[in-house]
Amino acid sequence: EPEVTQTPSHQVTQMGQEVILRCVPISNHLYFYWYRQILGQKVEFLVSFYNNEISEKSEIFDDQFSVERPDGSNFTLKIRSTKLEDSAMYFCASSEELDGTVVGYGYTFGSGTRLTVV
Amino acid sequence: QQQVKQSPQSLIVQKGGISIINCAYENTAFDYFPWYQQFPGKGPALLIAIRPDVSEKKEGRFTISFNKSAKQFSLHIMDSQPGDSATYFCAAGPGDTGNQFYFGTGTSLTVIP
Repeated sequence: EPEVTQTPSHQVTQMGQEVILRCVPISNHLYFYWYRQILGQKVEFLVSFYNNEISEKSEIFDDQFSVERPDGSNFTLKIRSTKLEDSAMYFCASSEELDGTVVGYGYTFGSGTRLTVV
Repeated sequence: QQQVKQSPQSLIVQKGGISIINCAYENTAFDYFPWYQQFPGKGPALLIAIRPDVSEKKEGRFTISFNKSAKQFSLHIMDSQPGDSATYFCAAGPGDTGNQFYFGTGTSLTVIP
C-alpha cells in the first residue's frame, strides 16, 4: 500500500535553530499538507500546498514557517528560529484529486517527525 | 472557537462490547466527516468517512451515524477487540481537496480482554 514517508522520525534542536522536516508524499497525489500534534492534544492544521503554492494556511503558520517542494518527490517544512513551543509531532499528509473533486478518501498521513526543541 | 468537539476523552470497553465515540461540529458548510485511528508512534490513519447525504455508513465492524440537523456524528465499533485499542479522532471539513480539516481532541480507547 502506498505510504507517505517522513524523515527524520525524531529531531532534537536547540532553541533558535532552524530545522527542516522532510516528507515524500504518495507519488500520484497532488495535494500536500502539514499538521502538527502537541503531545496529548488534537491534530492541528498548518498548511496545504497545491500546484507549487500554498493554498491555505492556519494562523499557526506564521513567518517562522515555510514550505517547499524542491523537486518532484519531496515536500519540506522549514521552521526558522525554533521556539520551545514548537515541540510537537509534525505530520505530513497527501491526498489526490480526481476529476477536480475530492476523492473522498481523506488524507494519507505519514508517521510523523517528533520535534523536540531544547 | 472549537470547530469540532469530541467525547469522551477516554473509553474503556470489554472485548466484544460496543464502543461509541461522539462528535459535534459547528460549521454547516462542512460536508466531509472522516474518522481517524492512531496507534502510538504512528500517524492518523483513515478509518471511515461519511458525507451528509447519508445518515449512516458501515464498513465491517465500524459504523458512522450522522445527524445533520443536530450537527453530530458518532463512531460505533461493534464487537470491540483489544487490537482496536488506539486513539480515535473525528474530523470535519468542507471536503474540497486542499482545504483543512478540523480535528476533534481525540478519544483514547482501551479494549480489555
